[in-house]
Amino acid sequence: AQKITQTQPGMFVQEKEAVTLDCTYDTSDQSYGLFWYKQPSSGEMIFLIYQGSYDEQNATEGRYSLNFQKARKSANLVISASQLGDSAMYFCAMREGANQAGTALIFGKGTTLSVSS
Amino acid sequence: NAGVTQTPKFRVLKTGQSMTLLCAQDMNHEYMYWYRQDPGMGLRLIHYSVGEGTTAKGEVPDGYNVSRLKKQNFLLGLESAAPSQTSVYFCASSQGTGQETQYFGPGTRLLVL
Repeated sequence: AQKITQTQPGMFVQEKEAVTLDCTYDTSDQSYGLFWYKQPSSGEMIFLIYQGSYDEQNATEGRYSLNFQKARKSANLVISASQLGDSAMYFCAMREGANQAGTALIFGKGTTLSVSS
Repeated sequence: NAGVTQTPKFRVLKTGQSMTLLCAQDMNHEYMYWYRQDPGMGLRLIHYSVGEGTTAKGEVPDGYNVSRLKKQNFLLGLESAAPSQTSVYFCASSQGTGQETQYFGPGTRLLVL
């Protein structure tokens, strides 16, 4: 079974609109971390936002917020006020055992976001 | 601050040839990782290291070897390249203190003919 599921291969949004990219995860650990990365067409992996499983509040970083619903095992990324530069591939990732330093990330297959003017 | 760097950026190999990919980080991170990215597959872990002189296998280690002789460098070797190893290879590093982020290099695009 997939540990990280991103069900939206592609999403389309207009500038200035908000968009939600879905991510569900599967783990039996109580302690884990969830990440979102952005990969523009240039290929680099850019860290966006992190949510720990014990964090009580949803993480926010500028226009990015993570809608963390622990009971549903979902960690959706919300981008507010989309910009053309947001067009990219977005990956959800999980590290099991958030307090175990250095555990590698498990990635989803990604969602391609296209922002139009 | 260079962060994580990878050399080369792009390489074409013939089947059976060998090569080494170099990853270097200047953040004094303890942990380093090699991933591969294939279309539709996301990133998958090849090998990782939790400190100088240590290495461990990830999800897809077959056909690769690694070495971490210096803390700042993590080498990925292909002894006998195969077309199935055509991929984009990413190196990453992290501090190893708990809730840390992994920082990625720019990637190496490898084509095996």
